[in-house]
Amino acid sequence: KNQVEQSPQSLIILEGKNCTLQCNYTVSPFSNLRWYKQDTGRGPVSLTIMTFSENTKSNGRYTATLDADTKQSSLHITASQLSDSASYICVVSRGGFKTIFGAGTRLFVKA
Amino acid sequence: SQTIHQWPATLVQPVGSPLSLECTVEGTSNPNLYWYRQAAGRGLQLLFYSVGIGQISSEVPQNLSASRPQDRQFILSSKKLLLSDSGFYLCAWRLAGGNEQFFGPGTRLTVL
Repeated sequence: KNQVEQSPQSLIILEGKNCTLQCNYTVSPFSNLRWYKQDTGRGPVSLTIMTFSENTKSNGRYTATLDADTKQSSLHITASQLSDSASYICVVSRGGFKTIFGAGTRLFVKA
Repeated sequence: SQTIHQWPATLVQPVGSPLSLECTVEGTSNPNLYWYRQAAGRGLQLLFYSVGIGQISSEVPQNLSASRPQDRQFILSSKKLLLSDSGFYLCAWRLAGGNEQFFGPGTRLTVL
């Protein structure tokens, strides 16, 4: 069954700290993996996209990793800011219109 | 640059009433268009996608329908809303052959 599982479900951290969000998938075939950030009540916005041959991709304070062998990805956020409070969604594409979304990790950054 | 619009932003409707949500894309031609529903604590569920005018594919059987009367316009409709239709509805577009979907701001629908 094609699934994308994210952990933790929610996370609370202090401003300035780092954190890592996890994504495990059982999607096949694999085309690419993306991380989205979704602010409450808004549409998701893409942070990174990685294909099979890429194992790391950075976007400012966000760094995503991909291990295609173990089918795991992580999103590391460095020096968190209050504006990082949002849901982070892992999305795996099988190619074409076949896209599987994770349920997301809800991150709360507290002052 | 490309932009995507959805309206209304929020909607409260009684059970049994009709629904029409609109999505338009600017700055691109012949995009692939998508309608998703997002329930609280759940992943996005693909409802419909379209590769061109008048071409609609449905992913799940349901109380909703979609139409694409123009190249950059995508409409989500229902003749009679159910309580279970409540949710956050997102429209997205993608360049044909592209990797990334770009999402609209969403519509929060509450059916009472």
